[in-house]
Amino acid sequence: DIQMTQSPSSLSASVGDRVTITCRASQGISNYLAWFQQKPGKAPKSLIYAASSLQSGVPSKFSGSGSGTDFTLTISSLQPEDFATYYCQQYNTYPITFGQGTRLEIK
Amino acid sequence: EVHLVESGGGLVQPGGSLRLSCAASGFTFSDHYMDWVRQAPGKGLEWVGRTRSKANSYTTEYVASVKGRFTISRDDSKNSMYLQMNSLKTEDTAVYYCARVHSGNYYVDYWGQGTLVTVSS
Repeated sequence: DIQMTQSPSSLSASVGDRVTITCRASQGISNYLAWFQQKPGKAPKSLIYAASSLQSGVPSKFSGSGSGTDFTLTISSLQPEDFATYYCQQYNTYPITFGQGTRLEIK
Repeated sequence: EVHLVESGGGLVQPGGSLRLSCAASGFTFSDHYMDWVRQAPGKGLEWVGRTRSKANSYTTEYVASVKGRFTISRDDSKNSMYLQMNSLKTEDTAVYYCARVHSGNYYVDYWGQGTLVTVSS
């Protein structure tokens, strides 16, 4: 199975900050990488697919990059509604696997 | 508007069975692969399995931990997907989400609200 490792596991930031979350795959997955946002008690929400393509309706403050094994999610100008847990997911190979999540908290 | 609604969750004893349903609306269900994803209490997301569309013979994929115990099926005439769970274990306790797979790019684009399955004696 392909292991997805996110860093950091948790992150404290302030409103207005720009943050970057990293996701590393244990083997190459081309650009078959998605990012999801999840708020407490809610279903996940799709943000980015194909490593850098924005899901319809998602604001451009979210951006993704990477290919192969190393990927990043960047969130600019943090707002209170952005504080949540973020997951990466590879869909290149079965079984599909998720990163362990990065909890973004307000400083 | 895409809408996915899971149902069928509840409390079941270890070794028991449960069938979850996912009712879809707002899109052409038969065109899409569909996934089940679960989340144990306080834990991260775990992909459970996938059903492909009729065009791909309704074939399925599963994570190893549920293979042989869980079965994913679908009824395109009812715009519904199902997860039959047998030989349930305490570690299967989780919120189960159904999710739509984008028909062109094969990533998950929409999620249901989830249904809680608790396996406990």
